[in-house]
Amino acid sequence: GENVEQHPSTLSVQEGDSAVIKCTYSDSASNYFPWYKQELGKGPQLIIDIRSNVGEKKDQRIAVTLNKTAKHFSLHITETQPEDSAVYFCAVGGGSQGNLIFGKGTKLSVKP
Amino acid sequence: KAGVTQTPRYLIKTRGQQVTLSCSPISGHRSVSWYQQTPGQGLQFLFEYFSETQRNKGNFPGRFSGRQFSNSRSEMNVSTLELGDSALYLCASSAHGLAGGTDTQYFGPGTRLTVL
Repeated sequence: GENVEQHPSTLSVQEGDSAVIKCTYSDSASNYFPWYKQELGKGPQLIIDIRSNVGEKKDQRIAVTLNKTAKHFSLHITETQPEDSAVYFCAVGGGSQGNLIFGKGTKLSVKP
Repeated sequence: KAGVTQTPRYLIKTRGQQVTLSCSPISGHRSVSWYQQTPGQGLQFLFEYFSETQRNKGNFPGRFSGRQFSNSRSEMNVSTLELGDSALYLCASSAHGLAGGTDTQYFGPGTRLTVL
C-alpha cells in the first residue's frame, strides 16, 4: 500500500525565515496532494493542495511543489510569522488504497 | 457556510462501554470520512460514506462502525471500548463525491475520547 514519509518531524525557524517541509510517497498512481495545518485543540485545516497535472502552486506566502517522477512534494512557507507555529501534515490521495494517506506531521515553531 | 461540526467535543468512557460520535458536514457536502488521530499512529482512515453507503473502509476492527443518514449527517460507533481507543476522532466532509481520496476534505474540530 501507499507509504507517505514526512520530514523533518520538528522544525524551528526565526520569524521572517523560510520553512520547507518535504514528503515522499510510493504509489505512482497517486494524484492529489493536500497540506493541512493543525493548531492545538483544533482539527486539521486545509492550507493548500495540488493535483498531478501541475508542478507548483502558490497562495501568498505558501507554495507547494510536486515532482511526480521522483514521487515527492514540498511545502514552502516564506516570511514566517509566530502564528505559523503549528503541526503541518502532508497527505496523498488517488492511489490504490482509495483514501487519503497522511504523513506523520511536522511541528513548526517560529520564534519571534 | 458553517463548517463541519462534531458532537460531543469531549467524552470520557470506561473499558467495555460503547460510544456514538456525531458529525454534521458542511451544507451541500455528501461525502463524510472519519479518521482516528493518536500521537503514535498519526491520522488513520476509518471509513468513508457517500450517499448513505460506505464507500471505503480502513484497517480497523469490526468494533468500529458507522453510518450516514439521508441528510448526509454521519455517526460512528465504537463498541466494547479498549484503552487503546483513546484518541481524537475527526470527521471530514467533501463536496464533489470524488472517490479515492481525491476530493478536497474539510475537517471538523474532532471529538476527544478518553477511555479509562
